[in-house]
Amino acid sequence: NAGVTQTPKFQVLKTGQSMTLQCAQDMNHNSMYWYRQDPGMGLRLIYYSASEGTTDKGEVPNGYNVSRLNKREFSLRLESAAPSQTSVYFCASKAGGETQYFGPGTRLLVL
Amino acid sequence: AQKITQTQPGMFVQEKEAVTLDCTYDTSDPSYGLFWYKQPSSGEMIFLIYQGSYDQQNATEGRYSLNFQKARKSANLVISASQLGDSAMYFCAMRATDSWGKLQFGAGTQVVVTP
Repeated sequence: NAGVTQTPKFQVLKTGQSMTLQCAQDMNHNSMYWYRQDPGMGLRLIYYSASEGTTDKGEVPNGYNVSRLNKREFSLRLESAAPSQTSVYFCASKAGGETQYFGPGTRLLVL
Repeated sequence: AQKITQTQPGMFVQEKEAVTLDCTYDTSDPSYGLFWYKQPSSGEMIFLIYQGSYDQQNATEGRYSLNFQKARKSANLVISASQLGDSAMYFCAMRATDSWGKLQFGAGTQVVVTP
């Protein structure tokens, strides 16, 4: 039982490049989330998926798109990366209860 | 709009001492949940404790307890008998009623436990 996994762990992009961050959970959770964490700050919600087949914007969705591929997987895409998107990205999942379980994070640097 | 405030950017605490981390919140929702997460230097987010707004008793999980004062809108985390491994960033977070579990986080408090 791996919990929430994220790939890649690290990534360096040039401005304007695109990439997809992958997230998968093996806990059969319905809800999944993408957050970003900037230096010295708490996490901010980018997008979430309350259940398979649904996605919704969070607090900071601009510049991102998401896909809930199936119940296990929730990907985050940056179509044209900008330096302001340099951050640590966390995926999380939740069952019917309260607790969100987080992945290990992806560190992204956009030059 | 909801807001979570952690006013202590950093704290030093001696091993075996207790430490209280402050968290205040603002919401107009009648039902909400409050969380504390720990983020060690390795970067992962570790769930510590949860308090529901209608829970009558303060939540406790081992050495962690949540001092919930609803009228004051505060949800302070108390770590008893600090250990060196408690050195980390600590985040307070809130979930509102119909927000599909979305969390809003405070800015965090860095705790350093000294021998």
